[in-house]
Amino acid sequence: SAVISQKPSRDICQRGTSLTIQCQVDSQVTMMFWYRQQPGQSLTLIATANQGSEATYESGFVIDKFPISRPNLTFSTLTVSNMSPEDSSIYLCSVGPAMSTEAFFGQGTRLTVV
Amino acid sequence: GENVEQHPSTLSVQEGDSAVIKCTYSDSASNYFPWYKQELGKRPQLIIDIRSNVGEKKDQRIAVTLNKTAKHFSLHITETQPEDSAVYFCAASPGQNFVFGPGTRLSVLP
Repeated sequence: SAVISQKPSRDICQRGTSLTIQCQVDSQVTMMFWYRQQPGQSLTLIATANQGSEATYESGFVIDKFPISRPNLTFSTLTVSNMSPEDSSIYLCSVGPAMSTEAFFGQGTRLTVV
Repeated sequence: GENVEQHPSTLSVQEGDSAVIKCTYSDSASNYFPWYKQELGKRPQLIIDIRSNVGEKKDQRIAVTLNKTAKHFSLHITETQPEDSAVYFCAASPGQNFVFGPGTRLSVLP
């Protein structure tokens, strides 16, 4: 199993500003995933973060809006840039030790943009 | 890409009754199918999973069945309890990530 610490747990931000979310894992993992969960909705994958290479973004998500860093095998950050109220959501990081196995989630960051 | 549908979107059952949630997927390459439970304000937690080489798996009151030919899998909860009330997500994994279904809000009425 993996223990994931994600912070901040929540934040209220002004529109036009940026927020960086941090995700720390207690073991080395090859891939880390960032999800968005809008109120009452399912989890939507934003991007996959690999150490030592550019993140891979899903359709509808772009690097300029959601830049990701992956400086080592235990840490990643997601930045939500130039925020608007539509960015209000829960953002979750996730890891899986290998393909086709359980995914573990951070506790999530509840973002409100005003 | 993979697309996962899930039904029903909401489900209410009496305590002690059974609950069944069904999912379908589109990508025949998917080979791993987890089910996650998410309580209000908390992170998703795995409750059971099944791989494509298995047709059924059971863990106490929870079971999952998989029909690869029809591309559907189901979650069965027996003897439901109030603490089973939550949102349940199915997912399919065609490779290195997961595609989640839209979720089912289960309410167990005492």
